Amino acid sequence: SQQGEEDPQALSIQEGENATMNCSYKTSINNLQWYRQNSGRGLVHLILIRSNEREKHSGRLRVTLDTSKKSSSLLITASRAADTASYFCATGGFGNEKLTFGTGTRLTIIP
Amino acid sequence: SAVISQKPSRDICQRGTSLTIQCQVDSQVTMMFWYRQQPGQSLTLIATANQGSEATYESGFVIDKFPISRPNLTFSTLTVSNMSPEDSSIYLCSAGQGPNYEQYFGPGTRLTVT
Repeated sequence: SQQGEEDPQALSIQEGENATMNCSYKTSINNLQWYRQNSGRGLVHLILIRSNEREKHSGRLRVTLDTSKKSSSLLITASRAADTASYFCATGGFGNEKLTFGTGTRLTIIP
Repeated sequence: SAVISQKPSRDICQRGTSLTIQCQVDSQVTMMFWYRQQPGQSLTLIATANQGSEATYESGFVIDKFPISRPNLTFSTLTVSNMSPEDSSIYLCSAGQGPNYEQYFGPGTRLTVT
């Protein structure tokens, strides 16, 4: 079963704009991770945020975590055509834990 | 980070047959995981494979349908048995290097059952 839902399910923006995706989860977590999947291929790990962190940056990515609301957001700034992909949040998965995925957001960047 | 390869990358199979998917990691890992992604859906864990012991299956998945082998610390196989069109999915393996490392994924195997 899915851990939670992502919002929106699909998002289309112009190249250069910022994209924000939200993830809600159901149970207490130790960490939350974001992955990218291009065209139904393998998943690329983007960023991990621990439960005691509120915000984390990696290049053009910014992830926030609000454990009181059981939610996280992924912001991609200055979007590029290559950012077109599906984005998934997932809980667990650090080392030997299984990953439980959200429903995913399909992001399309319009050149 | 671990580099994970899968074979085959895609296959088209007839119903009633079986397909074995291989997953190779470039370093020794404790845990390997197999996920299924049905068309347009998110990923669902099939089972966890620990070297030297039986795989642990998630609810809704059984060993007779998805037998898994884990003969050493760098390799695992997943067999999709007696396939039906409903088994058409992408199958992905992942590996965790230990308690302080993220999981990494293979490129996936796209299976179509006709």
